[in-house]
Order: sequence, then C-alpha cells, then structure tokens
Amino acid sequence: AQKVTQAQTEISVVEKEDVTLDCVYETRDTTYYLFWYKQPPSGELVFLIRRNSFDEQNEISGRYSWNFQKSTSSFNFTITASQVVDSAVYFCALSEAGYSTLTFGKGTMLLVSP
Amino acid sequence: DVKVTQSSRYLVKRTGEKVFLECVQDMDHENMFWYRQDPGLGLRLIYFSYDVKMKEKGDIPEGYSVSREKKERFSLILESASTNQTSMYLCASSSDRGSTYEQYFGPGTRLTVT
Repeated sequence: AQKVTQAQTEISVVEKEDVTLDCVYETRDTTYYLFWYKQPPSGELVFLIRRNSFDEQNEISGRYSWNFQKSTSSFNFTITASQVVDSAVYFCALSEAGYSTLTFGKGTMLLVSP
Repeated sequence: DVKVTQSSRYLVKRTGEKVFLECVQDMDHENMFWYRQDPGLGLRLIYFSYDVKMKEKGDIPEGYSVSREKKERFSLILESASTNQTSMYLCASSSDRGSTYEQYFGPGTRLTVT
C-alpha cells in the first residue's frame, strides 16, 4: 500500500525567510511519480511539479526547489525568500505506475506574514 | 491550458435532498475524479472514472454515486444528503497520454447540508 506523510501540519514564517516543506512516501513499486500541489485560499489546487522515480535530480524553478532522495523516501519542497502570496496549503502526492489515482498527504498549511 | 469547471462554488441543501455536483473538463482527458476535502483529513477519493460509463469506487464511496455519460462531464450524486456530507468537493481530470498522471483540479464546490 502506498502512503504519503506530511508531518508538518502548519508552518508560520516571516516574509523573506526560507522554508522547507517535508514529504515522506511509502511504496513497494520501483516506478512511481511524486507531485506537489498548492491550494491557495481560493480553494483550487494548482499543480506545481511532477518527478518520476528514475529522476533524482533536484529541480529549481524560480524561488521554488525540490529535493528528491530515494534513499530516505523523501521529496521535500523549499521556498526561498518566501512571500505573502506563498501562503497556502501545500500537498504532496504519489502515484504508482499504471494507476491513474493519486495518494495525497494531509497537507501543510504555510502562513507567510509581512 | 487545462480547464476544469464545477457547476457551483457554494451550495446549500437540506437533509434528504438529492444533490448533483457537475464537473466539466475541456482537455479530452480520459480520467476524472471526485474528492472531498475536510480539515485534518486531507483529500479523500470518492469515485473516479477512466472512461465514459465506467466508474470505480475510491476510498469513501458510501452515500455517493457518479455518472459519466460523456467524456468531458463527470457528475457526483448525493442520493439523500446528510449533514456529514457537508464538505468541500473537488473534481479533477488527468490524461493517459504520456503516462504522467498529474491531475488538474476545478475550483471546488463548498456544500453545506442543513
């Protein structure tokens, strides 16, 4: 069975601080996909990134970066120089190859104060 | 851009009413999903469909049914609404092309059953 754990329920930071959101996953498959989604106060989940299990390269997109480590089954998300607009709930998710369904973590609420 | 729309952002219904939540996607996606989101519980899959007229139960199908008569439309039906079905309902779609599995979400429907 697959499982995604986001141990941090809520994180509060002040603008311009760096923040890392943790994601730990469990799967028996060797081929799988990991995702991060952002849910701002408006409610719509926005897709941020997908990584497959064969690609452990870290990825950077502007102020966002993702660290994928198979050795620790983790896919952590770092926001550099956080901004108020980053305030949202962030979800990590996992899909095993051949299955269209995603298993979501319970989400981490990030609050960035001015 | 993928567009997933849901018929209502907010809905108030009475206990025992039959409720229809509609979802439409415009990207010719094969797969469509219904989730409910509750505080502390994250996203839970109710039903999904991988083809017209096909449906599969998710983690919490009790009290719900679905209908997919056309590829672009996936309806969630509450046969007899109850107060414990008060929740945020999210629809999503994904493509089988490229086997990438990321799901695209609609804005959500916040349903209150009184």
